Amino acid sequence: GNSVTQMEGPVTLSEEAFLTINCTYTATGYPSLFWYVQYPGEGLQLLLKATKADDKGSNKGFEATYRKETTSFHLEKGSVQVSDSAVYFCALPMDTGRRALTFGSGTRLQVQP
Amino acid sequence: DAGVIQSPRHEVTEMGQEVTLRCKPISGHDYLFWYRQTMMRGLELLIYFNNNVPIDDSGMPEDRFSAKMPNASFSTLKIQPSEPRDSAVYFCASSGNLYEQYFGPGTRLTVT
Repeated sequence: GNSVTQMEGPVTLSEEAFLTINCTYTATGYPSLFWYVQYPGEGLQLLLKATKADDKGSNKGFEATYRKETTSFHLEKGSVQVSDSAVYFCALPMDTGRRALTFGSGTRLQVQP
Repeated sequence: DAGVIQSPRHEVTEMGQEVTLRCKPISGHDYLFWYRQTMMRGLELLIYFNNNVPIDDSGMPEDRFSAKMPNASFSTLKIQPSEPRDSAVYFCASSGNLYEQYFGPGTRLTVT
């Protein structure tokens, strides 16, 4: 089946710093890729997605580009805010034809004022 | 839409008791997923349904766990008997005709 690897956290940044959270995947074919965010005490929320190679997903200032050459889908934001403090999960379908997603282990981001 | 609704939000029970977690998916979604989240194991898929039919229950830990979806708007996850190692946050998620899933707020279960 497909799998995903995320960078270990926590990532601690000052407000307005640049953010990168690395995600690499192993997959059959070119499945859709997702980033989810989990704020404290809440469920996961879809942050952005990309459905094919070279697509760029974006939302709330976050971006990620589907790179088939490097099998990566790194999450970036140019200027983080304290309110971005959360856990971020990279995800993709478990296998071709299966609707279930497999999630990375999550990366905790802490933004300090 | 109200989103995915889960109840209760918090459940504290004693070892050996039966626990029932409930989920109402987003209207029109035909896939429903149950996950468990712990610090040690992260987010684990327990089971998922398509059109109320269980498709994959390979993640269900053991016979103490069971899940049902009697209709398109309701699902339950039951643990009987409960054990302290079942303590976790249990999430329900639903999905329509795309792969993206929408999660509920979760039920925090504590078994003492």
